[in-house]
Amino acid sequence: IAGITQAPTSQILAAGRRMTLRCTQDMRHNAMYWYRQDLGLGLRLIHYSNTAGTTGKGEVPDGYSVSRANTDDFPLTLASAVPSQTSVYFCASSDSDTDTQYFGPGTRLTVL
Amino acid sequence: GQNIDQPTEMTATEGAIVQINCTYQTSGFNGLFWYQQHAGEAPTFLSYNVLDGLEEKGRFSSFLSRSKGYSYLLLKELQMKDSASYLCAVRDSNYQLIWGAGTKLIIKP
Repeated sequence: IAGITQAPTSQILAAGRRMTLRCTQDMRHNAMYWYRQDLGLGLRLIHYSNTAGTTGKGEVPDGYSVSRANTDDFPLTLASAVPSQTSVYFCASSDSDTDTQYFGPGTRLTVL
Repeated sequence: GQNIDQPTEMTATEGAIVQINCTYQTSGFNGLFWYQQHAGEAPTFLSYNVLDGLEEKGRFSSFLSRSKGYSYLLLKELQMKDSASYLCAVRDSNYQLIWGAGTKLIIKP
C-alpha cells in the first residue's frame, strides 16, 4: 500500500441498507477525515479523527458514523442509506507538521 | 457564516497565463490551501499560504492577502493537462478546512 486506499471504488445500494466504506492509510498520519463531494458544492466534512481512539463531527454528520480503532483505518458507516447520501466520498489524512491533507481515490456511492 | 467564493468556470488558451481568484470569510484564519482535481480523481495538494505574499512553485504561484480575505492561484505556460478544477480551502479557528466549490479550468489549444 502506498498512501491512502478506499474500498469499494463504486457501489449501488438500495435505500435502507447498511454500508461501510473502508479507508486505510500507510503514512502513519494521526489525523483522518471523511468528506462528501456533490456537484456544485465544496467538499463537506462528515467526520474526522485527530488521533486513534478519538472522533469528531464535521459539517454534515447525520446518518453517518465512524470509528478509529488504530492509526491506519478509518471506516465510515451508513446505518440506513437514503437517496440524499448519493455522492462521491473521499477519505483524507494529514501529517502533523503541515496539516496538509492527502486524499484517497474516492468511492462513488449511489443510493436508489 | 463561513464562505469561500471562487469563479465556477474559466477558459484559457494553451501557453497563456490564468489567474484564479478566491475570497473568503471565515471564523479565524490558519492558512489557505490550493488543490487541483482532475475529473473523476481525488484532489491533490498544490500550495499553502499562511503569510501575506507570493509563493512560487514552478509554473504555479499562489498569493495571499489576509487583510483583504483574498488569494489567487496563478498558472503560467498553460498546458492541456492543466485542465482541471482548482479548489481553494481555508483552515479556520478550529483548524478545520472550509472548501470552496472549485473553479473548473478549461484549456483550449
